[in-house]
Amino acid sequence: AQKITQTQPGMFVQEKEAVTLDCTYDTSDPSYGLFWYKQPSSGEMIFLIYQGSYDQQNATEGRYSLNFQKARKSANLVISASQLGDSAMYFCAMRGNNAGNMLTFGGGTRLMVKP
Amino acid sequence: GAGVSQSPSNKVTEKGKDVELRCDPISGHTALYWYRQSLGQGLEFLIYFQGNSAPDKSGLPSDRFSAERTGGSVSTLTIQRTQQEDSAVYLCASSRAADTQYFGPGTRLTVL
Repeated sequence: AQKITQTQPGMFVQEKEAVTLDCTYDTSDPSYGLFWYKQPSSGEMIFLIYQGSYDQQNATEGRYSLNFQKARKSANLVISASQLGDSAMYFCAMRGNNAGNMLTFGGGTRLMVKP
Repeated sequence: GAGVSQSPSNKVTEKGKDVELRCDPISGHTALYWYRQSLGQGLEFLIYFQGNSAPDKSGLPSDRFSAERTGGSVSTLTIQRTQQEDSAVYLCASSRAADTQYFGPGTRLTVL
């Protein structure tokens, strides 16, 4: 079984500052993928970043980076230089490569960026 | 290119009625997924289609739920004899094989 835990239901960050959203996971699959999605108030799920379990380097996509600590089973999302448009729900998700291709999601973190 | 599309965007129905939700995946994507997002249960996997293989139905909550995918493209999720607990946002996603899943805008279902 796979499990994703996001312990921060809500977070505030000042505009232009960096913020870290926490994600821990549990799986018995030796090979897996970790994803972060953003869900604005409009409802669509927007893919942000992906990290494979065997990737040697932490993933980066523009202002998003993933702090992957395999031994701790954590995959925290770092957003640099926060913008007002970053206010949204953020979901961490996992795909176990031996458990089918479906995603298991965490409960989400609501990020609010203050001007 | 065009993303995943879903219709209708909103559906209000009465308890006991059947509903059909439609998903058009991204062209060329062989895998299609249905998820449900509700306040109490978060985001849950429902069903997964990959090419011509038999679908993975392990997430369907009851036999009132079914889905089909015609011609390897469009998919329809059918809920029979709807109950109030079926009220949720139904999200469809597609991917190339086991790659990143891209989501549609969802269908908000309200069962009165």
